Amino acid sequence: AQSVTQLDSQVPVFEEAPVELRCNYSSSVSVYLFWYVQYPNQGLQLLLKYLSGSTLVESINGFEAEFNKSQTSFHLRKPSVHISDTAEYFCAVSASNQAGTALIFGKGTTLSVSS
Amino acid sequence: EPEVTQTPSHQVTQMGQEVILRCVPISNHLYFYWYRQILGQKVEFLVSFYNNEISEKSEIFDDQFSVERPDGSNFTLKIRSTKLEDSAMYFCASSVKNEQFFGPGTRLTVL
Repeated sequence: AQSVTQLDSQVPVFEEAPVELRCNYSSSVSVYLFWYVQYPNQGLQLLLKYLSGSTLVESINGFEAEFNKSQTSFHLRKPSVHISDTAEYFCAVSASNQAGTALIFGKGTTLSVSS
Repeated sequence: EPEVTQTPSHQVTQMGQEVILRCVPISNHLYFYWYRQILGQKVEFLVSFYNNEISEKSEIFDDQFSVERPDGSNFTLKIRSTKLEDSAMYFCASSVKNEQFFGPGTRLTVL
């Protein structure tokens, strides 16, 4: 079984500041890792994913995350945030040994960007 | 860009009533899922469906819940006798393999 821990429930930052949202996972098997973003009153959008290959993955809007197997982490970072990045961010994991397995989510981190 | 759609966006029902939540997954996807998110809590897996049968389910998915793919496009979640604690946002998702795409959700309110 897998589990995900998002260490910060709320992260308030000022616009143009850097941010890191932390995610740790545990699993007895190899995993795929995901970050989803949920804007107010909307559904879940895939932000970025790690399936294989380079441990550093990037999104089109400037976010990046690095898979660290030894520390079982997949922290999300952005060097300069915008007001529009205000949202709930969910880290998720699924077992990689079988297609179509459940996503296990963390409790989410609320990122609040103010001017 | 293809997307997962869900109807209705909001459903209000009385306790003990049956509800059916509907989803249209992305057309070439093979795996279908239902998740729920109780207000203020994390997203929880309910069930996955592949090749016209349940492939995995959580302990939340008890006998009150059922899923069906009645035709080539729809995927439904039925709750037979709703309880107050079933009030939540229900998300449908679909995937080719492991990258899951989510619909906008149905907010279910049980009174």
